[in-house]
Amino acid sequence: QVQLRESGPGLVKPSETLSLTCTVSVDSISRYYWSWIRQSPGRGLEWIGYIFFNGSPNYNPSLESRVTISLDTSKKQFSLNLNSLTAADTAVYYCASGFYSDYFDYWGQGTLVTVST
Amino acid sequence: EIVLTQSPGTLSLSPGERATLSCRASRGLSARYLAWYQHKPGQAPKLLISAASNRATGIPDRFSGSGYGTDFTLTISRLETEDFAVYYCQQYSFTPYTFGQGTKLEIK
Repeated sequence: QVQLRESGPGLVKPSETLSLTCTVSVDSISRYYWSWIRQSPGRGLEWIGYIFFNGSPNYNPSLESRVTISLDTSKKQFSLNLNSLTAADTAVYYCASGFYSDYFDYWGQGTLVTVST
Repeated sequence: EIVLTQSPGTLSLSPGERATLSCRASRGLSARYLAWYQHKPGQAPKLLISAASNRATGIPDRFSGSGYGTDFTLTISRLETEDFAVYYCQQYSFTPYTFGQGTKLEIK
């Protein structure tokens, strides 16, 4: 079983960059896809992107110009950076895992991020 | 991108009844790459079904999935009180992966 926990700021200003980290409890970080997903009232659940254990990322084209997902295997963490924030980026952000799969077998509890002055 | 449409938006049923939730894709999904999740307030979403019909580890057999192409169904054979939640479908045939808007299963 995989356990995931998101951490990061709850409030970010418009035009700034959001940085979130997901800490993973798992025997080995390899063989997994590590994803970020967000949920807002207006947009529902939206897949942001994933990073494979070998470091290869894949992003949602709607966010690709603003997003970076990175992996730190030594710390068993992966991170999300989303720049040029607007109010539309206000959402609950989840990290999730997929064991050699593109569906999400385990999720974190989510962290609410509000973009506001 | 593939749009998933779930129906109904809200389903009001009593414990012991059968629930049938629908998910329709805007185009056919290859290899039945569709998953179902259960989400309760304040909790992490939980994977129920992958590949349209494969129950995840530890999921009771009252949950079953079916379908192919564009039409998929999640069935809960006999509702228990802990089953009342929001259910989402997700396709992983094509990127970007997309979710349905959810079906809220509420106690009647």
